[in-house]
Amino acid sequence: EVQLLESGGGLVQPGGSLRLSCGASGFTFSDYGMSWVRQAPGKGLEWVSAISRSGATTYYVDSVKGRFTISRDNSKNTLYVQMKSLRVEDTAVYYCAKGGFRESPFDYWGQGILVTVSS
Amino acid sequence: SYELTQPPSVSVSPGQTARITCSGDALPKKYASWYQQKSGQAPVLVIYEDSKRPSGIPERFSGSSSGTGATLTVIGAQVEDEADYYCYSTDSSVNYRGVFGGGTKLYVL
Repeated sequence: EVQLLESGGGLVQPGGSLRLSCGASGFTFSDYGMSWVRQAPGKGLEWVSAISRSGATTYYVDSVKGRFTISRDNSKNTLYVQMKSLRVEDTAVYYCAKGGFRESPFDYWGQGILVTVSS
Repeated sequence: SYELTQPPSVSVSPGQTARITCSGDALPKKYASWYQQKSGQAPVLVIYEDSKRPSGIPERFSGSSSGTGATLTVIGAQVEDEADYYCYSTDSSVNYRGVFGGGTKLYVL
């Protein structure tokens, strides 16, 4: 059974930093691209970032370029996103998703973790 | 910037057919996928590569694509199908990025 479990969320002040982690199990992690998708309170889904199987290729939505860094450790079956210079508008539930690299679909999702940016 | 456009809501009675549309200029060249999100839950993939259904998704869910539009069809909608539905595709015209539609609330009542 595929499982994705996010951790690391919480309350942070504007300008602060946070690192989210996503532990994966139930599939060969290194065989799949991975992604982060977020959802602001009461709003729709927003694609944030994607990473290739090896980690060599990454993509970002324009609003987080230069502030967020996606990475992965295939030896630990874990996906990360390092978020810095956080803004109030980054407040959202962040989902880790299997797939979503180039045209592959998001076939499994984590339960999501809330990041709140507020003073 | 590239956008996918969906109607805000669609309403049907139980047993009727619901159709949710998604329009975008790159859809003739890029696959669409569809996600169901029930209140308080993570999204679930219901259609990928325009018309393929993952295992475990009921046969009443189907997808199609033509020109700049993609459509999710629910034949014989059930009360439990009431949810938000999002289309998704990609855009590589300038820099690669993923794009979700704004979402459609399907009411089955």
